Parts: sequence; structure tokens; C-alpha cells
Amino acid sequence: AQSVAQPEDQVNVAEGNPLTVKCTYSVSGNPYLFWYVQYPNRGLQFLLKYITGDNLVKGSYGFEAEFNKSQTSFHLKKPSALVSDSALYFCAVRDRTNAGKSTFGDGTTLTVKP
Amino acid sequence: GAVVSQHPSRVICKSGTSVKIECRSLDFQATTMFWYRQFPKQSLMLMATSNEGSKATYEQGVEKDKFLINHASLTLSTLTVTSAHPEDSSFYICSARDDWGASNQPQHFGDGTRLSIL
Repeated sequence: AQSVAQPEDQVNVAEGNPLTVKCTYSVSGNPYLFWYVQYPNRGLQFLLKYITGDNLVKGSYGFEAEFNKSQTSFHLKKPSALVSDSALYFCAVRDRTNAGKSTFGDGTTLTVKP
Repeated sequence: GAVVSQHPSRVICKSGTSVKIECRSLDFQATTMFWYRQFPKQSLMLMATSNEGSKATYEQGVEKDKFLINHASLTLSTLTVTSAHPEDSSFYICSARDDWGASNQPQHFGDGTRLSIL
């Protein structure tokens, strides 16, 4: 079985400040991990993924995420937030042995205030 | 690259009508497609997974006779909501993934269909 938890429904940050959106996961084997972003009335857009190798993964729009195996976490980060980063963010996990579906978290709404 | 086109973007129709939603991968082969329903409080509910040429696998609690899914080609999947009722009103999102050669590919999503049943 696999599961994802995004412990915060809402994250608020000021423009220019660093942001973190948290994600923890549970899988029986080794994970593939993904972050997606959703803007209002749109589908999800792929941001970045962790497959193997370097624990720090860089993705689109200046976002990065750090894989921490001991803490089973994959937090999304950005050094300096923009107002345009305000959106809904989803973390997803897929067991490497599972060729089928990913499990998505419930999403975290990020609001960046000017 | 990796564009998924979903149509229509919005449908308003009367109760009892059947509605078809199309999902196309424009620049890649979608070996696996997914259909989700998204509720107002933001969570995604996976309805079914389909592989090209095979019958869809439905999640528990999803009525396969009501939500008909066809994945006839590597670029097209359709979801038909049969005899739709107001409780079927929701935001439906399709997603596609190219699993050829690698099992670690991300999913690519359409822009969703807002279905409103009067």
C-alpha cells in the first residue's frame, strides 16, 4: 500500500520569503515522488520528480524538493516566493514496483502575499 | 511537450442526459490514462485507470455502468457520464502517462471539464 500526507491545508508566505510545502509518504518499496501545481479551473502541471540519485531535485519555475529517506519526506521549496506562485500544490508517490497508479495528497493551497 | 487536451471545458445539461468528455494526448503516446473527479475542497478522487485497448479498472465505489471509459487508441480516451444527475456535477480531469521504456514518468493532465447538471 502507498499513501501521501500533506499536513497543511494552507500555507501563507510573503513575497520574497522562502516557502516550504510539506509532504510525507509511505510505500512498501522504494518510491517515485512527484510534485504538481494546479491553478484555478485548470488541470495539474508537473513540477518535478525524484527517481534516484541526488536527494535535492530541481524543477520548473525555480522550485526544488528534497528527498529524505529516513523521514520519508519530500518537501517542496523555493528560496524566494512570487505572488504568481499562489496555487494548489499536490504531492504524489508511486511504488517503483507498482507500474500502475500514483497516490496523490489532498493538496496544499499556497498563498503568497505582496 | 507532453500536452493533454480535454474537451469540452464546460458542460451544462439537463438531468438524464448523457455527456461525453474527450481526452487526447497531442504529442506523446498515452499508454495509461486516468480519470479523476475533483471536489470543491480540492482533493482528487481517482475514478479509473485504463490501458490502451483494455477495459478500464475502476476504483471501489465508482459505478462502471454509469461512468463509461473507452481507451481505444494511444492518444484518445473518453469518459461518458450516462444519465447524469445533479449529484454528478463536478470537475472531471483526465491524465495521461507514457510508460514506454520507463516506469518513472510523470502524469500529464488535461485542463478539466466542469460538468453542471440541472
